[in-house]
Amino acid sequence: NAGVTQTPKFRILKIGQSMTLQCTQDMNHNYMYWYRQDPGMGLKLIYYSVGAGITDKGEVPNGYNVSRSTTEDFPLRLELAAPSQTSVYFCASSSGLAGGPGDADTQYFGPGTRLTVL
Amino acid sequence: AQSVTQPDIHITVSEGASLELRCNYSYGATPYLFWYVQSPGQGLQLLLKYFSGDTLVQGIKGFEAEFKRSQSSFNLRKPSVHWSDAAEYFCAVGAVGGSYIPTFGRGTSLIVHP
Repeated sequence: NAGVTQTPKFRILKIGQSMTLQCTQDMNHNYMYWYRQDPGMGLKLIYYSVGAGITDKGEVPNGYNVSRSTTEDFPLRLELAAPSQTSVYFCASSSGLAGGPGDADTQYFGPGTRLTVL
Repeated sequence: AQSVTQPDIHITVSEGASLELRCNYSYGATPYLFWYVQSPGQGLQLLLKYFSGDTLVQGIKGFEAEFKRSQSSFNLRKPSVHWSDAAEYFCAVGAVGGSYIPTFGRGTSLIVHP
């Protein structure tokens, strides 16, 4: 059980390039999330998904796109990279079970991708 | 809308001293409350969580937190800090029976002096 895995761990992009950050979870979780973390700013939610085929915007979605074709995978696409997208990106998942507390809302995080746009 | 405030950006303690990290939340109903820890270069790991019941919650690594509804607080404590506790700590609030999108505080960086 690997949990949440992210690739790559590090990446340097030039302005205007595109890339996809990969995220995979093997816990059969319904909910998946993408966050960015900037120094002193905590975590900002970019996009989230409540299940395969369903995605929604978070707090800072501009410049990003996502898709969720399977339960396991939730890739984040950066189109036309800009220096403002230099950040550490975290993918997370949670069971999202309705009704009881259980593990609902407990999030499991990947190790992160450190992205620099020059 | 829910919100979380961690008033301390940095906390410095000596090894062996006690620790309290503050967290205040704003939410109209009973919240889910969490503390996560992030070691340097790592993702976040759950320390403990409160859903209901006993307001004093025990977590991993010797941490505990107390939910005080009257003060809208969920402060994290540890009686004796170890050098390995140096990390970033995040408080988060989630919604009961609804959205599963927690809101995170900005984090408190813990520095431990030998």
